[in-house]
Amino acid sequence: DSGVTQTPKHLITATGQRVTLRCSPRSGDLSVYWYQQSLDQGLQFLIQYYNGEERAKGNILERFSAQQFPDLHSELNLSSLELGDSALYFCASSVGGQLSGELFFGEGSRLTVL
Amino acid sequence: DQQVKQNSPSLSVQEGRISILNCDYTNSMFDYFLWYKKYPAEGPTFLISISSIKDKNEDGRFTVFLNKSAKHLSLHIVPSQPGDSAVYFCAASVYSGGGADGLTFGKGTHLIIQP
Repeated sequence: DSGVTQTPKHLITATGQRVTLRCSPRSGDLSVYWYQQSLDQGLQFLIQYYNGEERAKGNILERFSAQQFPDLHSELNLSSLELGDSALYFCASSVGGQLSGELFFGEGSRLTVL
Repeated sequence: DQQVKQNSPSLSVQEGRISILNCDYTNSMFDYFLWYKKYPAEGPTFLISISSIKDKNEDGRFTVFLNKSAKHLSLHIVPSQPGDSAVYFCAASVYSGGGADGLTFGKGTHLIIQP
């Protein structure tokens, strides 16, 4: 158990819809990262938040947005969903300020867009 | 353009032998490298890392080698055990002073340990 909690574990929705994925980081971790893993693809970095502020942005589509709340949990909002958005979405956390770069991952939220 | 490449999607090794997983990178700014292991239906878990100031780091059965001039790293598992069967992701980062930025991952190599 990494200590990172993601909900929901599975989500099935239709094209054009909007969903919200939620992540609670490990206790004490200030950074939250979102990654997308599509079929046969590696983990694609989407976005990072550190202590409530956006810290780094990767290949995140304009239809996607995220935020980190004062209690440090984070939400990833996916809108105008397309079939290609079907993927496993991972949240990870770290203390921040570490040289190691070690991230602790949740179990992922599997999104299926029909 | 993939900055971290794992060119072998899968690798089959006999139990007890050495498993060698390879990873190449193109971004010379990367200064920290990590390997993650992932079982089905679980998130990736950290395995071992190496800083660019070193060329080898060892942790039990796992050793990571870094060749900066070739922009290549490898993970050696000796001896390989059935529980090592998993997908292994190579990842790289640029340390930015204020905390770890998003890691750049390869596509992974599925290691299968044969009994």
